[in-house]
Amino acid sequence: GAGVSQTPSNKVTEKGKYVELRCDPISGHTALYWYRQSLGQGPEFLIYFQGTGAADDSGLPNDRFFAVRPEGSVSTLKIQRTERGDSAVYLCASSLRGGRQGTNEQFFGPGTRLTVL
Amino acid sequence: SQQGEEDPQALSIQEGENATMNCSYKTSINNLQWYRQNSGRGLVHLILIRSNEREKHSGRLRVTLDTSKKSSSLLITASRAADTASYFCATDNLGSQGNLIFGKGTKLSVKP
Repeated sequence: GAGVSQTPSNKVTEKGKYVELRCDPISGHTALYWYRQSLGQGPEFLIYFQGTGAADDSGLPNDRFFAVRPEGSVSTLKIQRTERGDSAVYLCASSLRGGRQGTNEQFFGPGTRLTVL
Repeated sequence: SQQGEEDPQALSIQEGENATMNCSYKTSINNLQWYRQNSGRGLVHLILIRSNEREKHSGRLRVTLDTSKKSSSLLITASRAADTASYFCATDNLGSQGNLIFGKGTKLSVKP
């Protein structure tokens, strides 16, 4: 079956612009996670959705970052007034149940490489 | 924030040799997982070991977990050039909502 997909695969934008990154999780997965990975580092957690609600947004670096999952499937990560330091690969993952249920094996998408000039 | 450290940061071996990567973490966990990443993009789940397990096998992979030392190791036996990738350990911490905390990774290079 289809895995997690993310669009676009690459995004180049100018400092100060607004960007949206999209994630399509595996069908039927209730949990969805966003991570950010800088060069030479491991992924860092941003936000976790259980269904439509953001169950944990403690990883969002500041209020320029926002994410939604209005129908409990596709999610969009939104970054306002982008800064050069936002340049990274943004990874999305989904799991069947998430939270404190189950073993929480996460399936990752290919990521969106964001470059802010 | 990063949970812990993988060791070594980089490892270069010949095809057929075994590769051992270590991971240390800081807090109590529900489970620990190992992931593989090619070319800095999507991660592939390799194996999950629960906090009450000490060793697990999957094909050429062997994972150990020592919760008293807060450490884990990943052994890849009879390595192949196709195993060249970065390997990350990730912990699912007690009390968390299930988000994973990753280390910085070990970059493995297997030479044919």
